[in-house]
Amino acid sequence: AQSVTQLDSHVSVSEGTPVLLRCNYSSSYSPSLFWYVQHPNKGLQLLLKYTSAATLVKGINGFEAEFKKSETSFHLTKPSAHMSDAAEYFCVVSDRSGTYKYIFGTGTRLKVLA
Amino acid sequence: DGGITQSPKYLFRKEGQNVTLSCEQNLNHDAMYWYRQDPGQGLRLIYYSQIVNDFQKGDIAEGYSVSREKKESFPLTVTSAQKNPTAFYLCASIIAVGGNQPQHFGDGTRLSIL
Repeated sequence: AQSVTQLDSHVSVSEGTPVLLRCNYSSSYSPSLFWYVQHPNKGLQLLLKYTSAATLVKGINGFEAEFKKSETSFHLTKPSAHMSDAAEYFCVVSDRSGTYKYIFGTGTRLKVLA
Repeated sequence: DGGITQSPKYLFRKEGQNVTLSCEQNLNHDAMYWYRQDPGQGLRLIYYSQIVNDFQKGDIAEGYSVSREKKESFPLTVTSAQKNPTAFYLCASIIAVGGNQPQHFGDGTRLSIL
């Protein structure tokens, strides 16, 4: 069975400092992993995805994530936070067995301080 | 631009009333999903549909019903049997079920009880 754990429900950073949002996953199959961002009262927007190509994945808005199989992790990072990065972030895992399931983490709310 | 349109953006339900949330996509995607989002709980799957005239229950289908008469449309009915319907509802789609495609999301419908 697949599962995903986002280790922090809230993260606060100062503008211009690095961002680290942590995600651990569990999957019986070779997983596909995604990070999404959600602004208030909006849908989810894809930031990046890992589907077994390069383990370091670059996404939009300067975000990137590294797939580490030995640690079952897929942490999201950004070198320098911007005020517009304040939002909720979701880590998502799906398997490749042909099922429909996408398993969502409970989200991390990022606060960016001026 | 292609995308997913959810309507209405806000919806209020009276006791004993059924309400229907609309989801339309012009992405020519095969599969469509309905999720419920509650604070601190991530997204939970209500129903999904891989093809027209076929749909499957997700993890929290009780009190909800769907139809898929057209590829573009996947309306969700929240019935009076759903005793706690207050939530943010998100519709999503993917080009084909397989696990390695990212989902595209609409901007959601917020349902409240009068």
